[in-house]
Amino acid sequence: EVQLVESGGGLVQPGRSLKLSCAASGFTFSNYYMAWVRQAPKKGLEWVATISTSGSRTYYPDSVKGRFTISRDNAKSSLYLQMNSLKSEDTATYYCARHVFNYGSYDDYWGQGVMVTVSS
Amino acid sequence: DTVLTQSPALAVSPGERVSISCRASEGVNSYMHWYQQKPGQQPKLLIYKASNLASGVPARFSGSGSGTDFTLTIDPVEADDTATYFCQQSWNDPRTFGGGTKLELK
Repeated sequence: EVQLVESGGGLVQPGRSLKLSCAASGFTFSNYYMAWVRQAPKKGLEWVATISTSGSRTYYPDSVKGRFTISRDNAKSSLYLQMNSLKSEDTATYYCARHVFNYGSYDDYWGQGVMVTVSS
Repeated sequence: DTVLTQSPALAVSPGERVSISCRASEGVNSYMHWYQQKPGQQPKLLIYKASNLASGVPARFSGSGSGTDFTLTIDPVEADDTATYFCQQSWNDPRTFGGGTKLELK
């Protein structure tokens, strides 16, 4: 059974940093692209970052480019999201997702999510 | 960015057929996917590339469309289908999501 478990969320002040982690199990982690998707309270979904199987390629939307960094450790089956210079608009639930890249670019399994609140 | 427009809410009775629409501001070929999100839960993939049923999803769910107009159909609707349904396109960069359609059962 595919399982994705996020951790590292919490309350952080504007301008500070936070690092999220996602522990994966139930599949061969190194064979899959991975992604982060967020959802602001009572709002829709927004793609945040994608990383290739080896970690050599990363992709971001303009809203987080230069502030967020996605990375992975295949030996530990773990995905990370380093978030710097956080803004109030980054407040959201952050989901780790297994990403299908070669046939359509969609997310076939999602974690339960972790809440990040950016506030002074 | 490609904007995906969905109706905010629908209300149907169990046993009926419901169609949930998603309109893209520009063509997305067949690269449209559908997710179901129940209250307090993470999204779940239902349909990928417009019409392909994801693993473990009941055949009551189906998808259609291409270009700019897409439809998710549930037939028949069951009480457990109460949820918000999101479309997502991945043809144009960045990939974007629709605002979601909240499906309520009468």
